[in-house]
Parts: sequence; C-alpha cells; structure tokens
Amino acid sequence: NAGVTQTPKFQVLKTGQSMTLQCAQDMNHNSMYWYRQDPGMGLRLIYYSASEGTTDKGEVPNGYNVSRLNKREFSLRLESAAPSQTSVYFCASSEGVAGAADTQYFGPGTRLTVL
Amino acid sequence: AQSVTQLDSQVPVFEEAPVELRCNYSSSVSVYLFWYVQYPNQGLQLLLKYLSGSTLVKGINGFEAEFNKSQTSFHLRKPSVHISDTAEYFCAVGLDTGRRALTFGSGTRLQVQP
Repeated sequence: NAGVTQTPKFQVLKTGQSMTLQCAQDMNHNSMYWYRQDPGMGLRLIYYSASEGTTDKGEVPNGYNVSRLNKREFSLRLESAAPSQTSVYFCASSEGVAGAADTQYFGPGTRLTVL
Repeated sequence: AQSVTQLDSQVPVFEEAPVELRCNYSSSVSVYLFWYVQYPNQGLQLLLKYLSGSTLVKGINGFEAEFNKSQTSFHLRKPSVHISDTAEYFCAVGLDTGRRALTFGSGTRLQVQP
C-alpha cells in the first residue's frame, strides 16, 4: 500500500497563476483533509471532506477550493496564487468512523512557493 | 474554541538523556489528544493518542505521554533518546463532538546531540 500520495512534490508559481494539488489514498478511508504548515504555526486545516460527496471549510479556507473527486482522491485548487500561500501543503486521510478520535495518515507534502 | 500550546519551540538534548516535551490545551468539552512526529522532509506520523481510560499512554519508539485533566496537559516523555529521535513533534487535540478536524500546536523541534 502506498498510503497517501501527493503530487507534485515541489512547485513554484507566479502571483496570479492557478494550480491544483492532487492527493490520493489507497486505504479505503472515508475522510480526507488538506492542511498547510507554516514555520512556528504548526498545521492549520484548510478544508476537509468527512465522506465522499461532502466538503467543509477549516480554519484557513480563503483563496482555496477543493474537490472530492471520488473516495480515493481529494484535490486542492489555488485559483489565483498569492505570496501568502507560500507554504508546505499536507493531505491526510482517516477511516472516518470515530470522528476526531480517528488516526490521521499524512502524505509527504507539497512545497509551494509563490513569487 | 479549543487551543493547543507547546511551550518549547526547540529542545536540545544529549543522546541517552531523558526528555520531556510539554503540551497544554484548552477546551470546554471532552478531548482526544495526540502526539505526531515529523522527520525531516516527511509527512507526520502518529506517535500515540489518548482517547479515554488509563491516563498513561504508550506509543511507538519508546515514547509515552500522560494525560492530566486537572492541569490540562499531555506531556510527552522518553527515558533515553537516540540520534534518530531528532524530529519535530506536534501535539494535537480533537473534540468529542463528532467534528473530525484536529487543532495542532506549533511544534517542538527535538535536537539530539551525540
């Protein structure tokens, strides 16, 4: 099992460009999450999907959109990138059967720089 | 709203010494508590978690943590660290309300020196 995979690993964008970060999991998990990690701030939740067909905003959703394409895949889109979105982005998944008690499994991250 | 405070941003320690990484939380409802570890250039992985029951929780790689409800703390300990424990450690809290999202602390960088 590959677990949680993310593409790309690195990306450099210019201000105003758009891009989609891809995430897939092969653990048959119901819930998926997108976080951003900034120095000294830990991880902050952008969006999550409790189950296929549902998405909810997290702590820092502005400037992002998400799509739960199917049970395996959960993408994050930046429509018009800004330097403030320079960060490391992590996708995670969980079984989705025990709410916040579930263990979350993380991908390796995407390092995004917006110039 | 819940919050998590990790009191130390960096903890330098010598190999084979004991270590404690501190975590305090605030919440008005029952919580679940987690410690995750992030090795350089990798994603996070679960070290241990407290859901209910015994307040002393044992995790992987010889780590353990103790839930103290009166002090709203969940400190992580290891009696003897190795060079390979060098990593960033995150404390996280989830609420017993059905909402799945976790709130993470800002992280503690453990640097084990030979």
